[in-house]
Amino acid sequence: KAGVTQTPRYLIKTRGQQVTLSCSPISGHRSVSWYQQTPGQGLQFLFEYFSETQRNKGNFPGRFSGRQFSNSRSEMNVSTLELGDSALYLCASSQTGTGDSGANVLTFGAGSRLTVL
Amino acid sequence: DQQVKQNSPSLSVQEGRISILNCDYTNSMFDYFLWYKKYPAEGPTFLISISSIKDKNEDGRFTVFLNKSAKHLSLHIVPSQPGDSAVYFCAAMDAGGTSYGKLTFGQGTILTVHP
Repeated sequence: KAGVTQTPRYLIKTRGQQVTLSCSPISGHRSVSWYQQTPGQGLQFLFEYFSETQRNKGNFPGRFSGRQFSNSRSEMNVSTLELGDSALYLCASSQTGTGDSGANVLTFGAGSRLTVL
Repeated sequence: DQQVKQNSPSLSVQEGRISILNCDYTNSMFDYFLWYKKYPAEGPTFLISISSIKDKNEDGRFTVFLNKSAKHLSLHIVPSQPGDSAVYFCAAMDAGGTSYGKLTFGQGTILTVHP
């Protein structure tokens, strides 16, 4: 069973540019969540999508957005990049997003490492 | 406002001994708790979880204990192996609410197991 796949694994952008990251969840998983990991703030929740609808959102500015497609694949976009957006962006999938049992545990991908210069 | 705290940034243990990683939380709405392990250049890997209706859950060498009154949980690894060396994250969730997909993570503890 294939895991959560994130692309690209590494990318470098300059301030002011925008970036799109992609996530393919485990087959059968309909919930996709995104997290940002930085040395200072740790792992922080960005947003969650289920059946193409955003159900939950963390405390990030509107420059961070996402979407989910009918096949459950998800993308996140960061516009007008800032130096502070340099981070590891992690995608996680689960069957329901409720995470309250073994069947619903969030499974993470390897992440996309974004460097903003 | 850190709702999940891992106060020990690092822990060093000898192979074969017990590793105990600790985690404290402040949000009483959290009712599901998880431990993840993370190697460099990889995403977090799920280890073990516990519901708030239990006080202990075991899976092989890993045992998680939950003390709800103290808002404290711990992960015991026995016996510790060099391959266990990684960053361990405690995470919590309000599973009964609408916090879909949202885990609140601690800052992590770097475990080093020496041969």
